[in-house]
Amino acid sequence: ILNVEQSPQSLHVQEGDSTNFTCSFPSSNFYALHWYRWETAKSPEALFVMTLNGDEKKKGRISATLNTKEGYSYLYIKGSQPEDSATYLCAPRGADTGGFKTIFGAGTRLFVKA
Amino acid sequence: KAGVTQTPRYLIKTRGQQVTLSCSPISGHRSVSWYQQTPGQGLQFLFEYFSETQRNKGNFPGRFSGRQFSNSRSEMNVSTLELGDSALYLCASSQGSSGSGGTDTQYFGPGTRLTVL
Repeated sequence: ILNVEQSPQSLHVQEGDSTNFTCSFPSSNFYALHWYRWETAKSPEALFVMTLNGDEKKKGRISATLNTKEGYSYLYIKGSQPEDSATYLCAPRGADTGGFKTIFGAGTRLFVKA
Repeated sequence: KAGVTQTPRYLIKTRGQQVTLSCSPISGHRSVSWYQQTPGQGLQFLFEYFSETQRNKGNFPGRFSGRQFSNSRSEMNVSTLELGDSALYLCASSQGSSGSGGTDTQYFGPGTRLTVL
């Protein structure tokens, strides 16, 4: 896993808007994809872990899909709220010599205006 | 269950000095990974320790080293500090079982903010 790209880099939405972000990654040698949420002045917090099976995950208003064949994942937020403002990190985890390595994307910074 | 703790939270050093950062994982977690975050960059993987052994390593110079103790606590050392080493250093712990297939969730500490003058 060499390069993880997330888009957009930042996003400004109004409260109530629905939004989505993209994570793309090389699909070879990868075992799972993690999404994390990182609020300012806090630690990154795990949202989802998605496996090779292309499963779809949902947690409240947030959901994620994974396409392992084409190497991308989408994160959706329905009805954004100000408390959703954070940086959303995508992190594919793959096999490397001796174990697993997690490569983080640069993140999508979401700003939700009340 | 107590979360991941890191000490110190803030540190100011000058070029050429060395620094040691500490990370205490969640009880029962055997894997500790270290990451560096600089402005405009994502989290860059430094290394991972599991059962006192370095299991994986990122692309950082040899000035960056680490170790893990029998109680799973980990330390990271940076020698001969450079201005570019100014960053937020995060550690993350997980259960670390290789059989998890990469699905192990990592739990992050609050980070150590290092400033090199």
